[in-house]
Amino acid sequence: GAVVSQHPSRVICKSGTSVKIECRSLDFQATTMFWYRQFPKQSLMLMATSNEGSKATYEQGVEKDKFLINHASLTLSTLTVTSAHPEDSSFYICSAPGQPNSPLHFGNGTRLTVT
Amino acid sequence: AQTVTQSQPEMSVQEAETVTLSCTYDTSESDYYLFWYKQPPSRQMILVIRQEAYKQQNATENRFSVNFQKAAKSFSLKISDSQLGDAAMYFCAYYNNNDMRFGAGTRLTVKP
Repeated sequence: GAVVSQHPSRVICKSGTSVKIECRSLDFQATTMFWYRQFPKQSLMLMATSNEGSKATYEQGVEKDKFLINHASLTLSTLTVTSAHPEDSSFYICSAPGQPNSPLHFGNGTRLTVT
Repeated sequence: AQTVTQSQPEMSVQEAETVTLSCTYDTSESDYYLFWYKQPPSRQMILVIRQEAYKQQNATENRFSVNFQKAAKSFSLKISDSQLGDAAMYFCAYYNNNDMRFGAGTRLTVKP
């Protein structure tokens, strides 16, 4: 079945540094990828929708300069947390539809800890 | 914006018994998709079942079935013969035209 690979699974960084999270569709082309943030014991909050070859669409309240999204190819989308702060510590997860309106295929998530 | 509501933060069921998780949603669209996802402690998102809004027949997947009431905008999940491995967070989700929304989730505990 369709697989989405997300890397890294865990990352610890110092405050002020930037962290890049990659999300790859391994056996299908993903023109769209969704990026979510999940706080402990809470639901997935959609941060942004990345579209191959065009600018990402950010949800209200999400700083686009803070969370840079790039979707340069049909199989790769990246989320860069710039100038990370401890409050950015969270679980980030990406997903992509294998086909239009098909179930979303999720990456395994990235646990980011900013010290 | 579409919203998804799960009114049960926590549910508990005895092993081998049946439990129903509730979900309601709000949309002005007529064609859309609804999903139930399971998230175990590993935090991996696992698709449990899906329902196309244009289909009147309720979806079933082995021990999992839904009660889809389109007019009422209700989409409940029934788990029959509950197993210990069913313990997890369950999220109801709405999807239409690249818009995916999740409910707050229901934490299901299965008692042996």
